[in-house]
Amino acid sequence: SQQGEEDPQALSIQEGENATMNCSYKTSINNLQWYRQNSGRGLVHLILIRSNEREKHSGRLRVTLDTSKKSSSLLITASRAADTASYFCAHSGAGSYQLTFGKGTKLSVIP
Amino acid sequence: KAGVTQTPRYLIKTRGQQVTLSCSPISGHRSVSWYQQTPGQGLQFLFEYFSETQRNKGNFPGRFSGRQFSNSRSEMNVSTLELGDSALYLCASSVPGQAESYEQYFGPGTRLTVT
Repeated sequence: SQQGEEDPQALSIQEGENATMNCSYKTSINNLQWYRQNSGRGLVHLILIRSNEREKHSGRLRVTLDTSKKSSSLLITASRAADTASYFCAHSGAGSYQLTFGKGTKLSVIP
Repeated sequence: KAGVTQTPRYLIKTRGQQVTLSCSPISGHRSVSWYQQTPGQGLQFLFEYFSETQRNKGNFPGRFSGRQFSNSRSEMNVSTLELGDSALYLCASSVPGQAESYEQYFGPGTRLTVT
């Protein structure tokens, strides 16, 4: 399988703390994306980082990409209870809309 | 702008039956992809359509098929249902153009239960 791996599988933190999730993948990529999923519902796109970018910010989110290590990390700063969800990284190859997803990190933010 | 819509939202079928799921992409989006999500296998790509043509297909048996209409709406069909087909089926649409520049927008999914 070309599925990536996410680490940790589950993360529990207090509100206000930062949450860091890591993602590794196996193939060369064109871009890497992070999605959030609330309890068995649809996926919500959070951020996209292209293969020639190293870091990207969006609000309380910071994503890094290291193509030499085939890894990415998502940092959520000042977490809120509403951030409780599963987070997935996904990547696609050149010219393709096909996404390969990691197994996800289940984040619980305790109020 | 309305989001991606999927119908029905929930479905219960019996082994051996067939099922058709529908997806309406965001207006103006011409690429539609389908994914299957199960607790064991996670999110897996089924197929992708663009301008009524299947461009990519995942590693699923021939019982899984799909099509896209001229208005970009898409359907997927699963014939001879098996218990293992129980899953959340997600549809995603994207803006045509350079795939590396565009995120995908997902619908709420159809929860299929096979008994």
